[in-house]
Amino acid sequence: QSVLTQPPSVSAAPGQKVTISCSGSTSNIGNNYVSWYQQLPGTAPKLLIYDNNKRPSGIPDRFSGSKSGTSATLGITGLQTGDEADYYCGTWDNSLSVGRVFGGGTKLTVL
Amino acid sequence: QVQLQESGPGLVKPSETLSLTCTVSGGYINNYFWAWIRQSPGKGLESIGYIYYSGSTNYNPSLRRRVTMSVAASRNLLSLRLSSVTAADTAVYYCARATSFFDPVLETYRPDYFDYWGQGILVTVSS
Repeated sequence: QSVLTQPPSVSAAPGQKVTISCSGSTSNIGNNYVSWYQQLPGTAPKLLIYDNNKRPSGIPDRFSGSKSGTSATLGITGLQTGDEADYYCGTWDNSLSVGRVFGGGTKLTVL
Repeated sequence: QVQLQESGPGLVKPSETLSLTCTVSGGYINNYFWAWIRQSPGKGLESIGYIYYSGSTNYNPSLRRRVTMSVAASRNLLSLRLSSVTAADTAVYYCARATSFFDPVLETYRPDYFDYWGQGILVTVSS
């Protein structure tokens, strides 16, 4: 059971937009920055969004992040088949000794 | 470009100790946190713990009694040891770099997001 809650799967057609939610609490998302990671099949996770809404160099602006209260959202526009992957949110949790926590992951299918 | 590479045995017997190394190239260990994260087959990401370049550590409470992390900054090497392994420890193990964030509430530095990851190494626990 992950500390952060994500939908197990989402799907959309190429060219469409999709959002992936990440729900937490005041001890994690509510008071800390959120980051998002993309894991393409058979590869390591890759940083997609950091500090709620910032994109590392090289990440297209089709990817966006936002946070409101104890929830965060990853948005992807202009979906491409290459976007099919698992997406994870992550943040710090003030109440857990483990510190950094992740969501359970969301599998994106581009139909 | 910073690169991380995990290495170690891909097969470990039950009750033995899993030992992995992460070699950092293209950058320095100093001033960063370094984490070990694992992913069981078909599952999500689990934080094992992290180590600051100075050597201070923080381990996942569920693994704390079995985990040891170390850093050799002069050699750009990180190490993970997990003792008394069982089949439940079968996973892909990743090392990752985390930027430092000064927490004004804790009044200390702690890891922020993970900006570089190794490719991961599959470790299977089986006799």
